[in-house]
Amino acid sequence: GAVVSQHPSRVICKSGTSVKIECRSLDFQATTMFWYRQFPKQSLMLMATSNEGSKATYEQGVEKDKFLINHASLTLSTLTVTSAHPEDSSFYICSARDPRTGGTGELFFGEGSRLTVL
Amino acid sequence: DAKTTQPNSMESNEEEPVHLPCNHSTISGTDYIHWYRQLPSQGPEYVIHGLTSNVNNRMASLAIAEDRKSSTLILHRATLRDAAVYYCILTGLDTNTGNQFYFGTGTSLTVIP
Repeated sequence: GAVVSQHPSRVICKSGTSVKIECRSLDFQATTMFWYRQFPKQSLMLMATSNEGSKATYEQGVEKDKFLINHASLTLSTLTVTSAHPEDSSFYICSARDPRTGGTGELFFGEGSRLTVL
Repeated sequence: DAKTTQPNSMESNEEEPVHLPCNHSTISGTDYIHWYRQLPSQGPEYVIHGLTSNVNNRMASLAIAEDRKSSTLILHRATLRDAAVYYCILTGLDTNTGNQFYFGTGTSLTVIP
């Protein structure tokens, strides 16, 4: 079964509204989670590294004020797309690694959340 | 971040072996080689990973060149369910950066019945 779960799997919103996507690690405590974005027929692009109890680290070119990341507990990270616009429509995927693997083990990915902004 | 190079696409007949190559000539001594695959509209799925020695699991085998500058993912008998985009990724041991995974373009595998 899934060890990283995302919710919602699909969301449609109006332009200008904010959308929150949740990512939960089910079988382990994740001090670090990763958020990706994927446009159709393209690869995954790392957006940010979410750190429990501290600020997220954003990749170059990713607006931190637009993509708010909160990692308030060891099993939950949230991505909020603020003032969403049609160009933010994408497939958002989170991932986490079981820290017991020592930082080199497999990365578990969520099922993804498809955001459509009208 | 170390880069990987993979063919954009490959085809295989069903029930035949598939060898998916990956070049990573700038790999560092502490980089692990990971392989993931992604089916349409799903998150990536772990396939296999290794450091220096060849690795086998129930899904696939990973053959790593002696100089570690390339690797090959081997699917022993391709099935239609193996049709996916396969990503070869290097990840290091830099705990300061959280050992991020940067995805390349991957190889889109088509399995022909």
